[in-house]
Amino acid sequence: DAGVIQSPRHEVTEMGQEVTLRCKPISGHNSLFWYRQTMMRGLELLIYFNNNVPIDDSGMPEDRFSAKMPNASFSTLKIQPSEPRDSAVYFCASSATSQPDTQYFGPGTRLTVL
Amino acid sequence: GENVEQHPSTLSVQEGDSAVIKCTYSDSASNYFPWYKQELGKRPQLIIDIRSNVGEKKDQRIAVTLNKTAKHFSLHITETQPEDSAVYFCAATSGGSARQLTFGSGTQLTVLP
Repeated sequence: DAGVIQSPRHEVTEMGQEVTLRCKPISGHNSLFWYRQTMMRGLELLIYFNNNVPIDDSGMPEDRFSAKMPNASFSTLKIQPSEPRDSAVYFCASSATSQPDTQYFGPGTRLTVL
Repeated sequence: GENVEQHPSTLSVQEGDSAVIKCTYSDSASNYFPWYKQELGKRPQLIIDIRSNVGEKKDQRIAVTLNKTAKHFSLHITETQPEDSAVYFCAATSGGSARQLTFGSGTQLTVLP
């Protein structure tokens, strides 16, 4: 069974460009989480979805960040426009209805904004 | 909201010795406490978890203990090996949600051969 899939694995872009990160949760999981990891701030929850509906987006840092989950098998995190301080590793995680608190992480996307 | 504090931030032990990492949490409603291991450049991976109706749980060389009264929980690794070297994160459910986790700041464990 495939785990959480994220793409791209690495992204280098210039300040001001739009960045789109993608995530495919584990099949059958109904909750999806987006995290950002930096040395300074550790692992921060940005937003999470339950049954494709955003439940808590209080961690989204600014209006430049947006996330969607159009169906149960796909989610995107978009940054527009990107800034150097957005450089981080972005993780997606998912969990199942049977154990909603047990989260499984994807491999992450390392974003570098120049 | 939930606040999870983790200590120490770095820990070095000799191979074969034990390692203990401690976390405290603030939300008395928290009822699930997972531990994740993150190797350099890799994803956080769940290694053990405990729920509030249990005081201790073991899985081979790792164990977790929970003290709900004091609101703290600990990770114990016995007979450490070089491959145990990684960053370890504790977490607790938060915000009254069965899904949302708040993570500690992480402990860099180094096992010296």
